[in-house]
Amino acid sequence: AQKITQTQPGMFVQEKEAVTLDCTYDTSDPSYGLFWYKQPSSGEMIFLIYQGSYDQQNATEGRYSLNFQKARKSANLVISASQLGDSAMYFCAMREKSTGRRALTFGSGTRLQVQP
Amino acid sequence: DVKVTQSSRYLVKRTGEKVFLECVQDMDHENMFWYRQDPGLGLRLIYFSYDVKMKEKGDIPEGYSVSREKKERFSLILESASTNQTSMYLCASSSPGGQGSTYEQYFGPGTRLTVT
Repeated sequence: AQKITQTQPGMFVQEKEAVTLDCTYDTSDPSYGLFWYKQPSSGEMIFLIYQGSYDQQNATEGRYSLNFQKARKSANLVISASQLGDSAMYFCAMREKSTGRRALTFGSGTRLQVQP
Repeated sequence: DVKVTQSSRYLVKRTGEKVFLECVQDMDHENMFWYRQDPGLGLRLIYFSYDVKMKEKGDIPEGYSVSREKKERFSLILESASTNQTSMYLCASSSPGGQGSTYEQYFGPGTRLTVT
């Protein structure tokens, strides 16, 4: 079974508008972390935001916020005031802490295109 | 800033060749990872190392081996390259973590390998 599901292969958004990228996850581990990474066309993976399973508040980092709905097992990334430079692939990832697995499990990604 | 470097951005090899992909990190991280990225599949873990000379198989280790002789360097080896190993290869590193750690992974720029 897919551990991380990103159902939107591609998304378009107008510059200056907000956009939500969907991510659902599947785990029975009560202790886990959720990550979002951005991958521009140059290829490097850029860490954006992190949410721990026990964190009470939704994580925010500048224009990025994570809409964490634990009961629904969703961790959507919200980008406010989109910029042309936000055009990239976005990956949701999870680390299950109790298993001892140190690697991340990634979703298939969403390609975001910001239009002027 | 953490820096993870990979020896080549682009590599073209012939079927049957032995291929070495090198990764170096400068943050004294214990953990290093090799992922493979393919369209529609996200990133998949090939191998992981948590210390010098220590390694663990990831989700897709077949056809690959690794070497970690020094803490800062983690090599991925394709013993006999095949066309189905044409892909983007990403190296990452992270600290061992601890209380409050996010276990964030820092990525290199990637190596796009083509096997003909």
